[in-house]
Amino acid sequence: AQSVTQLGSHVSVSEGALVLLRCNYSSSVPPYLFWYVQYPNQGLQLLLKYTSAATLVKGINGFEAEFKKSETSFHLTKPSAHMSDAAEYFCAVSDRESSASKIIFGSGTRLSIRP
Amino acid sequence: NAGVTQTPKFQVLKTGQSMTLQCAQDMNHNSMYWYRQDPGMGLRLIYYSASEGTTDKGEVPNGYNVSRLNKREFSLRLESAAPSQTSVYFCASSEGGSGIVSPLHFGNGTRLTVT
Repeated sequence: AQSVTQLGSHVSVSEGALVLLRCNYSSSVPPYLFWYVQYPNQGLQLLLKYTSAATLVKGINGFEAEFKKSETSFHLTKPSAHMSDAAEYFCAVSDRESSASKIIFGSGTRLSIRP
Repeated sequence: NAGVTQTPKFQVLKTGQSMTLQCAQDMNHNSMYWYRQDPGMGLRLIYYSASEGTTDKGEVPNGYNVSRLNKREFSLRLESAAPSQTSVYFCASSEGGSGIVSPLHFGNGTRLTVT
């Protein structure tokens, strides 16, 4: 069964610094991968998704993620953090071999931005 | 432009009581999902419905039942609520279908407390 592991439940960076949120997946074949963001008291919104078209995926709000099969990773990055990026971020996976409809989330990483 | 609508937004139950959480989407999506969100555990999939007429267990189905009433509606029932079911419940939908990768659209959540 597919799964994702997010390293670091809480990441704190200074405004303007690089944001790096880590996600590793477990799947027998390259899966579909997603990053979602959740702002306080809201549902989740899609940031970006990987479906094998390109290994570097660009999303909204300046975020991007790179699929690395050799490392089974899909880390999320942003070159320069803004205060508005403070939120919780979730990596998610959908297995190509079984039902693509089953989408499993990681435990989340809370991103804090220091002024 | 409602998207995914969940009712109620808040609910307090006593142990042993039953209730149904309602979810409806107006995007003509095929797939619908129920997740629960608990601190430090991310979102865990309870049940999902890949298409109208089908339902499947997710990661944590025990203590829950679901009904895909029609293409628009997907309800979650707690037959005998337990304190361990205190959580925030999210309904989501996607364009769907097996083999089709599409993002999830989330409702705003139902905050359930079981005393």
